[in-house]
Amino acid sequence: QKEVEQDPGPLSVPEGAIVSLNCTYSNSAFQYFMWYRQYSRKGPELLMYTYSSGNKEDGRFTAQVDKSSKYISLFIRDSQPSDSATYLCAMSQLVQGAQKLVFGQGTRLTINP
Amino acid sequence: DTEVTQTPKHLVMGMTNKKSLKCEQHMGHRAMYWYKQKAKKPPELMFVYSYEKLSINESVPSRFSPECPNSSLLNLHLHALQPEDSALYLCASSLYPEGGTNYGYTFGSGTRLTVV
Repeated sequence: QKEVEQDPGPLSVPEGAIVSLNCTYSNSAFQYFMWYRQYSRKGPELLMYTYSSGNKEDGRFTAQVDKSSKYISLFIRDSQPSDSATYLCAMSQLVQGAQKLVFGQGTRLTINP
Repeated sequence: DTEVTQTPKHLVMGMTNKKSLKCEQHMGHRAMYWYKQKAKKPPELMFVYSYEKLSINESVPSRFSPECPNSSLLNLHLHALQPEDSALYLCASSLYPEGGTNYGYTFGSGTRLTVV
């Protein structure tokens, strides 16, 4: 079993739809939870990060963490064609004095105009 | 400056060549990382430098040799690579290696390496 599970998709939705992306994890030692967006042939771009259970909102993006269920989500409201990218969840734990980041497989998202 | 800059953007090298990848950040981040990403796969951690010292090596083959000359600069020296080492090599940095309220990695755009 992988430490972080993420449905690779692909996921295709019409413009303006609400998008829901999810990851589950098995390692209780994870401390930080992040979502990255990666456009083709580019490096990952940090969208959201959280430390505790609950919701965090930033513009059209909302991140949710449920540590009791080991489940994290990212919601995108009013989706735009420019949101088309691969979305990676990532989690980190302290190992040898440094945070070690583990990524999910990534979900390829397409927003259709 | 809120960027991680990687050079070169593209590199083609033969299996007997020696080359180096360079990564630079001027955000005052004290942790720097090398990741390897194959096509349609997530990034995989290779090395972590904390306060300019190597703290994590994910059992990477010795043909990859990291170096951190100072807190702003990270190099990855390559020697006798194999074709299967062809990938996107990503550098990242974060403010504190141990985490904190401003936690989050900033990634560079990567070096696309092809070994022939």
